[in-house]
Amino acid sequence: QLQLQESGPGLVKPSETLSLTCTVSGGSISSSSYYWGWIRQPPGKGLEWIGSIYYSGSTYYNPSLKSRVTISVDTSKNQFSLKLSSVTAADTAVYYCARDTISAFDIWGQGTMVTVSS
Amino acid sequence: QSVLTQPPSVSAAPGQKVTISCSGSSSNIGNNYVSWYQQLPGTAPKLLIYENNKRPSGIPDRFSGSKSGTSATLGITGLQTGDEADYYCGTWDSSLSAGKVFGGGTKLTVL
Repeated sequence: QLQLQESGPGLVKPSETLSLTCTVSGGSISSSSYYWGWIRQPPGKGLEWIGSIYYSGSTYYNPSLKSRVTISVDTSKNQFSLKLSSVTAADTAVYYCARDTISAFDIWGQGTMVTVSS
Repeated sequence: QSVLTQPPSVSAAPGQKVTISCSGSSSNIGNNYVSWYQQLPGTAPKLLIYENNKRPSGIPDRFSGSKSGTSATLGITGLQTGDEADYYCGTWDSSLSAGKVFGGGTKLTVL
């Protein structure tokens, strides 16, 4: 069955770039039916969609984060990645990757905690 | 502050029924599909309902979804202690700041 797994540094310094990768197993990221998304959740708070990407590289982003976000895909590795630049303490959160069916996020990774601190 | 409004908390006794509301506008719920997610403590969200009222494989029929106008509702019958979790609604918002949006979440307590 399809599984998603986030990986990347758990600690990032303020003003630097947060980089995470999501590895998809048990299925192909090149499926024509799905996008692949990133969602985050600050400690004790709700969910915030960051952006999503199609296997062709087509992306759509949360307008409030768009200026700092880049999502890319590597179909040869069955992975997609998130880069968030100029981070501050407000970017401290659990970051999830998920399969985006357009109408819902139907399969989620377990999440990875990223703390922004010097 | 989310564009989708959910009550912060609801509670009910085991075996009872509970509903969780999600209120929006014509730019989001009114013209787009709604999904619902369950987040058990310390775990990732799990899809419960998609396209307003459809259940993914493996989700029991105790969980149901409905939509009317600019509001959506998640219903849970036969409450179990294991249903104690945070519940989120989600949809697409096609306003000037278009994108996917979630409600602020509702904490369900099973007394």
